[in-house]
Amino acid sequence: NAGVTQTPKFQVLKTGQSMTLQCAQDMNHEYMSWYRQDPGMGLRLIHYSVGAGITDQGEVPNGYNVSRSTTEDFPLRLLSAAPSQTSVYFCASTGLAGGPDTQYFGPGTRLTVL
Amino acid sequence: DAKTTQPPSMDCAEGRAANLPCNHSTISGNEYVYWYRQIHSQGPQYIIHGLKNNETNEMASLIITEDRKSSTLILPHATLRDTAVYYCISRISGYSTLTFGKGTMLLVSP
Repeated sequence: NAGVTQTPKFQVLKTGQSMTLQCAQDMNHEYMSWYRQDPGMGLRLIHYSVGAGITDQGEVPNGYNVSRSTTEDFPLRLLSAAPSQTSVYFCASTGLAGGPDTQYFGPGTRLTVL
Repeated sequence: DAKTTQPPSMDCAEGRAANLPCNHSTISGNEYVYWYRQIHSQGPQYIIHGLKNNETNEMASLIITEDRKSSTLILPHATLRDTAVYYCISRISGYSTLTFGKGTMLLVSP
């Protein structure tokens, strides 16, 4: 298993540009989520999904959209990038088959918005 | 999720046990205590979790006080690779989300 994969690893955007951060998992996990981590801070939840076709907002959802058309993929869209969205973005997944909801995290996408 | 309190930083000599405390005095009866760690620039990694009994796995041991208001994560023989930020999180098991605080920065020195 590759686990949780994220692309790209690094990205630089200009203010106002849009882009999609990709996240995929091959563990057949029902639950997937997106976090952002600003320097010196803990992770904050952006959006999450409990299964295909179901998404919900987390703590800091503004400026981001998500969709879950398949179990494997959970892309995060930045609609109009702002410098305040400069951060490291982590995707995570969990499923009951692996034990009581241990969350597995991807390696992160480092985003800079100029 | 109950709020947890951890010291911002701790030091440990290589080969010694690292004991990381966590206070969760408002934890409710159905909330578990989870520990994750984040090595620099990587995604968080699950370590261990427990409800009220002490737990041990290949990475660490978790000691939970009888009143469940605090716990201690023990790395029995710390190595340089254990240098990381350690997060203590209390939450209901299931699909509930993780709420990360600032954690404890553990520095293991030679």
